[in-house]
Amino acid sequence: EDKVVQSPLSLVVHEGDTVTLNCSYEVTNFRSLLWYKQEKKAPTFLFMLTSSGIEKKSGRLSSILDKKELFSILNITATQTGDSAIYLCAVEDYGGSQGNLIFGKGTKLSVKP
Amino acid sequence: NAGVMQNPRHLVRRRGQEARLRCSPMKGHSHVYWYRQLPEEGLKFMVYLQKENIIDESGMPKERFSAEFPKEGPSILRIQQVVRGDSAAYFCASSPKRTGGGGNQPQHFGDGTRLSIL
Repeated sequence: EDKVVQSPLSLVVHEGDTVTLNCSYEVTNFRSLLWYKQEKKAPTFLFMLTSSGIEKKSGRLSSILDKKELFSILNITATQTGDSAIYLCAVEDYGGSQGNLIFGKGTKLSVKP
Repeated sequence: NAGVMQNPRHLVRRRGQEARLRCSPMKGHSHVYWYRQLPEEGLKFMVYLQKENIIDESGMPKERFSAEFPKEGPSILRIQQVVRGDSAAYFCASSPKRTGGGGNQPQHFGDGTRLSIL
């Protein structure tokens, strides 16, 4: 059965800290891995990763994919209170359904001032 | 540039009633996906639609749930004879083409509809 596992489930840090969030997956036919940030409302898109070893960056956030070891990490440097959210990892498996995403349960990040 | 629009934001129903959830995709998007999020759980895929077609409904419960995306108007997720277990947040996402098909395009999500069953 396809699955996506995120760790840790929750994390509390102080402003300025650097955090690393983990996502491992098992899917039959991997197509892409996506990261989303969910505050109180819509999950907002952060990154889509399809190739191993190529880091994607956006400001203080960066992410990389390892297709051999079947995992991805999301790094946030110099955290701010506004980074507090649930970070969702999702994988697209094109072998079965034609475009649905398989989500992990998320990592709840709390950044204290 | 309006994002994915869902309404209502909150919906309260009594057991046995019907719930209708609406989703208007982003402009230029023709693919719609519905997900359900239970407390302490991740988002679970329900159904994937294009205009006037259901492409994949493998995540939909076999009874009481249906979805449509007509030629004109929003996509509708319909739940008949609701039960307490249907209480959840229902999210809609859209993309301009099939995610991963001929050029990956990420899905963009709406704010969700929080359904509460009394």
